[in-house]
Amino acid sequence: DQQVKQNSPSLSVQEGRISILNCDYTNSMFDYFLWYKKYPAEGPTFLISISSIKDKNEDGRFTVFLNKSAKHLSLHIVPSQPGDSAVYFCAARHSGNTPLVFGKGTRLSVIA
Amino acid sequence: EADIYQTPRYLVIGTGKKITLECSQTMGHDKMYWYQQDPGMELHLIHYSYGVNSTEKGDLSSESTVSRIRTEHFPLTLESARPSHTSQYLCASSEWGVGYTFGSGTRLTVV
Repeated sequence: DQQVKQNSPSLSVQEGRISILNCDYTNSMFDYFLWYKKYPAEGPTFLISISSIKDKNEDGRFTVFLNKSAKHLSLHIVPSQPGDSAVYFCAARHSGNTPLVFGKGTRLSVIA
Repeated sequence: EADIYQTPRYLVIGTGKKITLECSQTMGHDKMYWYQQDPGMELHLIHYSYGVNSTEKGDLSSESTVSRIRTEHFPLTLESARPSHTSQYLCASSEWGVGYTFGSGTRLTVV
């Protein structure tokens, strides 16, 4: 049973607009959440993270929002750029430094 | 600049062959991981290690084995490759409490 779900396999957004990628989780023990970005034929690279004690974390054009009651987080990219086109993975772990659990990813296409 | 290295990047091999995928990191991280990923699917944890002489199996049933004799080195071995092993294999390392640094991956094709 998937503990981290990314229900949108793909998303297309125009350059300059906002991209919103969603992630749901089922394990209430998760306390740390991360987003990774992956280009074809490369390994994922860390993008941004959030602890369960926060509901928002911002880093430049990237903001992650966490809604613990809904077990939902989202990644906002504003403004979107063509170089943001990649697959975005949501990941989570629970306390004790257990290995990360990943979602299936969402392929973002930013159209110029 | 990559501090975690995987070799080979691409490998095509015949059924029944024994193969070892190499992973090395220069960051002194205690924790290392192997994930398997197919297109459109999540990364599945197959093995991990929290330090020298420590290895654990992940949640994906795997016919592979790993070893951790040195902190910086975490090779993955398939004793007898099968077409079902065709996938991308990703190695990662981390410090306690922070996210992972991934290698570039090995794309394995078993024919």
